Amino acid sequence: GQNIDQPTEMTATEGAIVQINCTYQTSGFNGLFWYQQHAGEAPTFLSYNVLDGLEEKGRFSSFLSRSKGYSYLLLKELQMKDSASYLCAVRDDQAGTALIFGKGTTLSVSS
Amino acid sequence: DSGVTQTPKHLITATGQRVTLRCSPRSGDLSVYWYQQSLDQGLQFLIQYYNGEERAKGNILERFSAQQFPDLHSELNLSSLELGDSALYFCASSATSGGRFFGPGTRLTVL
Repeated sequence: GQNIDQPTEMTATEGAIVQINCTYQTSGFNGLFWYQQHAGEAPTFLSYNVLDGLEEKGRFSSFLSRSKGYSYLLLKELQMKDSASYLCAVRDDQAGTALIFGKGTTLSVSS
Repeated sequence: DSGVTQTPKHLITATGQRVTLRCSPRSGDLSVYWYQQSLDQGLQFLIQYYNGEERAKGNILERFSAQQFPDLHSELNLSSLELGDSALYFCASSATSGGRFFGPGTRLTVL
C-alpha cells in the first residue's frame, strides 16, 4: 500500500519563503510530483522529481530524498495568488502508472 | 488549459440514478486516469485505462465502471448513486512518462 503525509495547513506572508514537506511510504516508487490546486479547480502540475536532489523552476523548487522517503516544495517570494492547496503525489508502479495523492496542504498567504 | 476536456461541467441528479461522465485526453496521450475528490478524502485514484485496456484499479466501487474507446476518449459510469457519491470527478491524461494533466472536472451533486 501507500502512505503519503503532508501538513494540513500552513500560513505565510507575502514576500516570504515557505517549505511544504511530504513524507511517503510506497513499494513501487517511480517519481514524486507536486501539484497546485485552487478551490473548485483542476490540479495544475508544478514539478516532478525522480532522482535525489533539487529541481528549480522559477519561484518554485522541489527536493527529493528517496532513501528518506521525503520531499519538499519550496515557494519563494510568496504572492497572494499562491494561496491554494499543494498536493504531493507519488507514482507507484505497483498501481499501474497512476499517481497516488496525499490529502494536500492548504497554504494561506496574507499581506 | 491542460488540453484535457471533460463534460458535463456540472451534474445534479437523484439517489438511485445512473450518470455518465466523459473525458477526452490530450492529443497523443494514451493513458486516462479517473479520480474522485470529496471534501474529506482528497484526490482518490479510481481507475486507469491505457490505449483501450484497463491498466490499474484504485478505490473504485463496484457500482462504478469505466471504458476507453478507440478514439481514446473515456467514460466513467456511476450507477445506483448515493448521497456520498457527490464529489468532483477529474480525469487526467499522460504520455509515456512525466506529468499527468488534469481536465477541469465534473461536479456531481446527488440529491
